[in-house]
Amino acid sequence: GAVVSQHPSWVICKSGTSVKIECRSLDFQATTMFWYRQFPKQSLMLMATSNEGSKATYEQGVEKDKFLINHASLTLSTLTVTSAHPEDSSFYICSARDWKVNYGYTFGSGTRLTVV
Amino acid sequence: RKEVEQDPGPFNVPEGATVAFNCTYSNSASQSFFWYRQDCRKEPKLLMSVYSSGNEDGRFTAQLNRASQYISLLIRDSKLSDSATYLCVVNRAGYSTLTFGKGTMLLVSP
Repeated sequence: GAVVSQHPSWVICKSGTSVKIECRSLDFQATTMFWYRQFPKQSLMLMATSNEGSKATYEQGVEKDKFLINHASLTLSTLTVTSAHPEDSSFYICSARDWKVNYGYTFGSGTRLTVV
Repeated sequence: RKEVEQDPGPFNVPEGATVAFNCTYSNSASQSFFWYRQDCRKEPKLLMSVYSSGNEDGRFTAQLNRASQYISLLIRDSKLSDSATYLCVVNRAGYSTLTFGKGTMLLVSP
């Protein structure tokens, strides 16, 4: 089945620094990838839809200048949390659809970000 | 009203029990429905899609009532390994994005 690889699995960074998270589709091409954030005991909240070769579409309330998304190829999307603050600490998960496999959604293993 | 609402949980059941989860969705334009399972600190994994006619996969049965905008998941003969959070997920027609419920935690004890 479709595999989505997400790195890093966890990261601890200092306030004010930037963190890049990578999401790769390993065995299929993903023209669209999705980035979610999940706070403890909360549901996954869609942050943005990443489109290959074009600008990402951000959900209401998500700052596009703070959460930079780049989808330069059909197999890679990156999320960069710029000038991270403790309130950005969360579980970030990417997802992609494998259009060849009944439009199934596959999730990356997630990145646990802790900003200190 | 939240777009997808689930039983708050947690559900604590003994092994072998039958447990049912309920979910309601607010957008009548919703077209696709799923149950995902999420283990602690892990990504969600698809458990099963939900079809209008209802569908079964082993010990798991999912049902959909479009008129009531209601989805259910029934787990029979619970196993310890069923302990997880179960997410009700909805996809709106014409949209590629998923909307997740908050999840219902299930704890199966020996």
